[in-house]
Parts: sequence; structure tokens; C-alpha cells
Amino acid sequence: AQKVTQAQTEISVVEKEDVTLDCVYETRDTTYYLFWYKQPPSGELVFLIRRNSFDEQNEISGRYSWNFQKSTSSFNFTITASQVVDSAVYFCALMNRDDKIIFGKGTRLHILP
Amino acid sequence: DGGITQSPKYLFRKEGQNVTLSCEQNLNHDAMYWYRQDPGQGLRLIYYSQIVNDFQKGDIAEGYSVSREKKESFPLTVTSAQKNPTAFYLCASSGPQRSSYEQYFGPGTRLTVT
Repeated sequence: AQKVTQAQTEISVVEKEDVTLDCVYETRDTTYYLFWYKQPPSGELVFLIRRNSFDEQNEISGRYSWNFQKSTSSFNFTITASQVVDSAVYFCALMNRDDKIIFGKGTRLHILP
Repeated sequence: DGGITQSPKYLFRKEGQNVTLSCEQNLNHDAMYWYRQDPGQGLRLIYYSQIVNDFQKGDIAEGYSVSREKKESFPLTVTSAQKNPTAFYLCASSGPQRSSYEQYFGPGTRLTVT
């Protein structure tokens, strides 16, 4: 079965704190892709990152970083020094060979000023 | 500017009417997708198309229909057979071909049926 679990439904942190959004996935395929998307209040999903199953190197992009660990089937997302503009719903997603993306239910992140 | 457009942003219809949601992309992407999002939920796939004149059902296709006559366009019709049509509808595209897998999304259409 293919599944993406984002156990944190909602998180609130004070601005400038670091925050980690968890993502656990299930798949039987050896080749797959993982994604993170941001959905601000406007509703449009914004692509943040793609990772393929053969590349476990962690990635950093500005204040964003991603930790991919195949041993625990996790692909966690950390925002460092959070800002109010980071407030959004964040989705983790999985794609197998059939080209269909399965989304988690999302984590709503509130950054409090 | 390249991107995906969906119109209108808000749509209101009476129960029993069919309604067509527009999705156009100028990214030269081969694949296009329709998702439905309900409050507090993730995205669920309705239909997808990987090439012109071909499309496949997603997880919740019942009550919906699509066409793909042009590469740039993938309209979704919500029929009167859809029991709970009120939702936020998102269109996405990816490509070209299999060079990239991430999907890019339009701004969405919020459909309200009363």
C-alpha cells in the first residue's frame, strides 16, 4: 500500500523559533519520489522540493532544510528562524512509478508574531 | 509568464446543474491533473491525462468527466451525479514528458453548490 502520514495536524510556534514538520511514507516500490508543497491562504500549492529514492542527501535552501531517511521512511521538513510568512498548510507527497502523487493530509503551521 | 490558469476563482451553482471548470497551461507540459480538496483534508485525485486525447480515472472520478483535446487545456465537468460537489478544485500539470515529476498547480476554483 502507498500512504503518506503527516501526524501533526496543526502546529503553532512563535516567530524566530525553529519548527520541524514530520512526514512518514509507505511504499513497496524501490523507485519513488517525495515532495513537499506549501499552500498559503490563497489556496495555490507551491512546489518546494523533490527527492528521489536513490538520493538520501539532505538539502538546505535558505531557512528550509529537508531530512530524508529511508531507514525510517521519513522525509521531514525543518524551517529555521520561522517567519510569519511561513504560516501555511504544508503537504508531503509520494509518487511511485505510476506517476500519480499521493498527498498527506497536511500540517497547518501557525507562526505567531 | 508561464503558468496554469483556472477560472473562475469562485463558482456558484444550483443543485442539479452541470458545471465546467477551466484549466489552461502554457508550460508545454504533457501531463495534467485534477484534484479535489475538502476542508482539513489532503488532495484527492479525480482524473489525470498524460497525453492529448487520453485520460485516466483517479481515486474519486465518479460524478466527474474530463476531456483533453488540446495539450494546453484540461476542463473538468462536475455533473449532477456528483453527490457532494462543493469543494476546492485544483488543476496541476507536470512535464515535459518524464524529465521532471513535480506538479505545478493553478490557483484553484472554489465551487459552491446549493
